[in-house]
This record gives sequence, C-alpha cells and structure tokens, in this order.
Amino acid sequence: QSALTQPASVSGSPGQSITISCTGNSSDVGSYSLVSWYQQNPGKAPKLVIYDVIKRPSGVSNRFSGSKSDNTASLTIFGLQADDEADYFCCSYAGSSTLVFGGGTKLTVL
Amino acid sequence: QQQLQESGPGLVKPSETLSLTCTVSGDSISSNSYYWGWIRQPPGKGMEWIGIIYYSGSTYYNPSLKSRVTILIDASQSQFSLKLSSVTAADTAVYYCARGRLSAGIVGATFFDYWGQGTLVIVSS
Repeated sequence: QSALTQPASVSGSPGQSITISCTGNSSDVGSYSLVSWYQQNPGKAPKLVIYDVIKRPSGVSNRFSGSKSDNTASLTIFGLQADDEADYFCCSYAGSSTLVFGGGTKLTVL
Repeated sequence: QQQLQESGPGLVKPSETLSLTCTVSGDSISSNSYYWGWIRQPPGKGMEWIGIIYYSGSTYYNPSLKSRVTILIDASQSQFSLKLSSVTAADTAVYYCARGRLSAGIVGATFFDYWGQGTLVIVSS
C-alpha cells in the first residue's frame, strides 16, 4: 500500500483555475470511485471539500470540482481566491477495508 | 454540529505505548451511520491513515501498523481511543481523530467529514 502521489506545490493567480492531481494505481484510485479531498490551513483541522470523486459536501463552494480518469483523480478550483491558499490532500479507498492518503499539495495564490 | 477533541501525552519514550483518546460531542458515537478514525501526519509529511472503528467494535487497520495498533470505543464515555505500541521516533506526528462516513456501502470505505484539531505526539527519551 503506497501513498498516492500529489505534486508538492501548485500556484495560480486570483480568478484563475488550478488543478491538483492525485495518482494511485489499479488497486486504489483506478478500481474505486471513492476518492476524497481535504483542505488544510496551518494549525487547523482538515476540511472535507470533495468525496466520492465528484460530490461536494453541503456548504462547500461550487468552485471546487473533482474528477477521475484511470488511476488519477483531480481536484480543480475555479475562480481562485486568496483564502483558497492552503494544503490539499487526497485519500482513496484501497480495498480490503483500507484507505491511503496522498502526500499533500501546497496551493499558493499569487 | 459534531465536535471531536484529542487528548493524551505529548511526549512518549521510545519502545513505550502511545495512548490517545478522542472525545466526541454532537451526534452519538453509537450511531450506525459513522466510523471513527485515527489519522496522523509526521512533521512536514503527508497524512497516514491509521485505522477506523465502528460502533459495534469492528476495526480496520493500516496493514503497515496493524501489529502495533489497537483502537477501542467506549460509548458510555462518548470516546474512542488509540494505542500504538513499541513507538520509535518515526511515530512522531500530529495525530487526528475524525468521523468517517460510509461510502458506497463498502465496509471500511470512508471519507472523513469532521476532524479534531490534532495533537502533536513526540517520541523521544
């Protein structure tokens, strides 16, 4: 069970869109549409922003969108805002009642 | 509104057992709608899933930690706990407890919709 691969950092200007990738394999991301994404500000509890690849919890902005293709899941943030700056990490079901997380991506809003 | 709060020693000696408790308020810990989980984040690194427990006591652990981990639930206290034995410096991390929601009806497949603030545990002599 290896950690999912995320880029260490991404950046974008206000108003732009960015995409964060989360790459696994055929045993986790590729086999299940059960990827969740979390936003984490320094010193704060993580916040769920996407679950089941594409679903948004109540109260999460529709600027957050999830998708998946083969072994890679993606989180896209449209209309980037300053307060989107945070760490983002993904998580996937990996079979046999186990979960695996990604290494996390730092989003910088320029 | 669900709230979770971790508690326990912030410093543990190598080879000893790390013990943390998560106190849950809001929705009942005995609800059959939720799992209760532990996740950790070593300094400067990504999240690592430790394991989850269902109200019935059923547990599911990270295979890489399974030999050292025990998660228990005490519904009477609205708490669940983590014990990690034979700790080393590699177990130094911020430990989070979280509420898991069952996904797609698959046992153990969860996403976490509420998290505690996390507690830093340092393993050092």
